[in-house]
Amino acid sequence: QVQLVESGGGVVQPGNSLRLSCAASGFTFTAYGMHWVRQAPGKGLEWVAFIWYDGSNRYYADSVKGRFIISRDNSKNILYLQINSLRAEDTALYYCARSTDTSYYYPLDYWGQGTMVTVSS
Amino acid sequence: DIQMTQSPSSLSASVGDRVTITCRASQNINTYLNWYQQKPGKAPKLLISYASSVQSGVPSRFSGGGSGTDFTLTISSLQPEDFATYYCQQSQSTLITFGQGTRLEIK
Repeated sequence: QVQLVESGGGVVQPGNSLRLSCAASGFTFTAYGMHWVRQAPGKGLEWVAFIWYDGSNRYYADSVKGRFIISRDNSKNILYLQINSLRAEDTALYYCARSTDTSYYYPLDYWGQGTMVTVSS
Repeated sequence: DIQMTQSPSSLSASVGDRVTITCRASQNINTYLNWYQQKPGKAPKLLISYASSVQSGVPSRFSGGGSGTDFTLTISSLQPEDFATYYCQQSQSTLITFGQGTRLEIK
């Protein structure tokens, strides 16, 4: 069965960096685009970033562009999100989610349980 | 960016009621519109894709419609397990956006 397991969250000070990971299993990772979506406490869903199945194209929300980097290691079936210059407003539960196909215009059909990032001094 | 606006933001209803949630896009998104259900403490679940395609395993009381800028999610007869928050999401643009959510509560 499809599994997505996020890790790497924690409490960090403003301005610091963090790398989130999402370990994928139960499907052919190299055939699917992948997303990061976040949810601040008590708030709605905010799309963060997308990467094509082969890593050839990446897209970012305006709120994170220039600070976040999405990447993937298809040899290890792992999706990453490098988060730099952390701000208080980045505090959220970060989900990885699978696109139903290679590109961004497909729905998100499987989601992990999320990893919490708290930015606080 | 394409803005997605859901209405209402919250809704109180009773078991057995028929409810409709609307989602409006700030520009034409054809049918690149998906609906998700999220229960407290859980990850979102894909209910409907491409505006009207109900996912396998989703009860038939859920339906979706619309195209262009105006979309609906309808639950024909509310069941206790349907009380949750619902989000629309557009994927017409590389800048993907979600609606703000509609919280469906028990009356």
